[in-house]
Amino acid sequence: QKEVEQNSGPLSVPEGAIASLNCTYSDRGSQSFFWYRQYSGKSPELIMSIYSNGDKEDGRFTAQLNKASQYVSLLIRDSQPSDSATYLCAVSPEAGNMLTFGGGTRLMVKP
Amino acid sequence: KAGVTQTPRYLIKTRGQQVTLSCSPISGHRSVSWYQQTPGQGLQFLFEYFSETQRNKGNFPGRFSGRQFSNSRSEMNVSTLELGDSALYLCASSFAGGSIYFGEGSWLTVV
Repeated sequence: QKEVEQNSGPLSVPEGAIASLNCTYSDRGSQSFFWYRQYSGKSPELIMSIYSNGDKEDGRFTAQLNKASQYVSLLIRDSQPSDSATYLCAVSPEAGNMLTFGGGTRLMVKP
Repeated sequence: KAGVTQTPRYLIKTRGQQVTLSCSPISGHRSVSWYQQTPGQGLQFLFEYFSETQRNKGNFPGRFSGRQFSNSRSEMNVSTLELGDSALYLCASSFAGGSIYFGEGSWLTVV
């Protein structure tokens, strides 16, 4: 069974700090990797997508992918209270858009 | 640019009834996928459609079905509703394997 694992948290960081979120996946055939942010009662919002090994930066967010270790991470710099949410890691095979989600990590940023 | 639109947003059904949910993808997106989110099981893939063809299917019973129309709009149907079908149903669209964007979801309560 293809699995995506995340620490459920909560991960608590002070405002202005770096939040580090991690995800491992079991399917070596996975080709596309996504991070979504979900506020309580809302739908998932795409933050980052990454397809090749290495780092990808977008504003305060950096996604890191290591296919050999089957590991994806998300760094949030200068964390803000508005970043408090559940962060979902999702992976997809090369063919089709069939996302397998982790259980999510709840992030709390304290003022 | 309009996002993914789902209707209805909220609905209450009785056990044994059926329900149809609708999704309009982002303009130009031909891939539409559906997901179920529950507190216990998290986000789970239901099925994906591309150019009116079901391309992938998740591990759900046959009571769950879907279709896609020539304008890429999609519907999903759940027949013989059970209490456990109460969930947030999410539609997502993408353009040929790129980033996947979610709609606001349809909240289904089965009583």
